[in-house]
Amino acid sequence: SQTIHQWPATLVQPVGSPLSLECTVEGTSNPNLYWYRQAAGRGLQLLFYSVGIGQISSEVPQNLSASRPQDRQFILSSKKLLLSDSGFYLCAWESGGAGTQYFGPGTRLLVL
Amino acid sequence: AQSVSQHNHHVILSEAASLELGCNYSYGGTVNLFWYVQYPGQHLQLLLKYFSGDPLVKGIKGFEAEFIKSKFSFNLRKPSVRWSDTAEYFCAVNARDSSASKIIFGSGTRLSIRP
Repeated sequence: SQTIHQWPATLVQPVGSPLSLECTVEGTSNPNLYWYRQAAGRGLQLLFYSVGIGQISSEVPQNLSASRPQDRQFILSSKKLLLSDSGFYLCAWESGGAGTQYFGPGTRLLVL
Repeated sequence: AQSVSQHNHHVILSEAASLELGCNYSYGGTVNLFWYVQYPGQHLQLLLKYFSGDPLVKGIKGFEAEFIKSKFSFNLRKPSVRWSDTAEYFCAVNARDSSASKIIFGSGTRLSIRP
């Protein structure tokens, strides 16, 4: 069966520090991968998605970037964190445009 | 651009009450529709989905939703709620013709059930 992992589970970082959040999927090949940010009372905002290795689409201009170095690995990064980057970050996968996405456990990021 | 509106931000019910959570979307083409649920401390998970066919879809735990195309709505219902239904519920929509499903989520409805 397919599983999706995210780490770390929680992270507290100072403003201006770099960020790297990792997401990996097991049990499927060539998934579409997604990064969302969930803010209280504001639902989930799609940040990036990827349909293949090295292919990244950005949905909103921001302080973050994403990379997909391997088929089942999706990384969310920042060179310098802002206070506004605080939030709950969710990774999701989907099989070949089938429509249903499956979510990881999330990373709670607090920027101080 | 696609958008999803969930008008109820917080709903409080007693056990055994009936539930209906509203969801409206805006998109001119063919859509897939979803309800996701996030129980306290758990992953976001799929509750039910509509792709085609019977507009009344049944999901897990006794939930159902009805797609009304003319109203651009996909309301979630349950005839008798339980305390364990306390969670946050998200309606979502994606365009069916995309190679990657860019799902747009509503802002969520927090459901609190009084025992």
